Amino acid sequence: TQLLEQSPQFLSIQEGENLTVYCNSSSVFSSLQWYRQEPGEGPVLLVTVVTGGEVKKLKRLTFQFGDARKDSSLHITAAQPGDTGLYLCAGRYSGNTPLVFGKGTRLSVIA
Amino acid sequence: EAGVAQSPRYKIIEKRQSVAFWCNPISGHATLYWYQQILGQGPKLLIQFQNNGVVDDSQLPKDRFSAERLKGVDSTLKIQPAKLEDSAVYLCASSPQGQPNTEAFFGQGTRLTVV
Repeated sequence: TQLLEQSPQFLSIQEGENLTVYCNSSSVFSSLQWYRQEPGEGPVLLVTVVTGGEVKKLKRLTFQFGDARKDSSLHITAAQPGDTGLYLCAGRYSGNTPLVFGKGTRLSVIA
Repeated sequence: EAGVAQSPRYKIIEKRQSVAFWCNPISGHATLYWYQQILGQGPKLLIQFQNNGVVDDSQLPKDRFSAERLKGVDSTLKIQPAKLEDSAVYLCASSPQGQPNTEAFFGQGTRLTVV
């Protein structure tokens, strides 16, 4: 059973387009994190969201945590080839429990 | 600040052989995790240590996998005997102690191929 469902699984878009990636669960999380992973590397943290309804922005990336703390979204504006990678959402049931990861969304931005 | 170090980067073994992976976490980080990432999937937790004690090993296949963290610093993960389905990237991560919802810092991983 996959506790965190990510969609879409694959996404290929042209440079300059906007996109949204979704992370959904039937479970409530105390926090949710988004990581980006490039080939041959470990995941690197992009953002942590802890409050229901919270919105965080990181340059062209906008992250939102659902009001019920069961889902999250990542929106990228004007995607660039450098945004290419595997985007992983990961949740914690409580503050110090291990991260549970989704399967990821593999994004390819074509110049 | 040095990141999480893992070795080797790559390993190819035949099924039924044994293999060991090594991880050196970020200095001062009390929490250490081993994750298994099969191609096309997200990382799956194998074991979590807090200092040198095991916090969660519920998903570790204990008939063939073992892990230890002597002295609460470095850690080794062993597979004996390996199966074809163990082919994956094994990621080590560490976090500071006592900070809820903190970031997990990952190493580059060890890519294991079992043939």
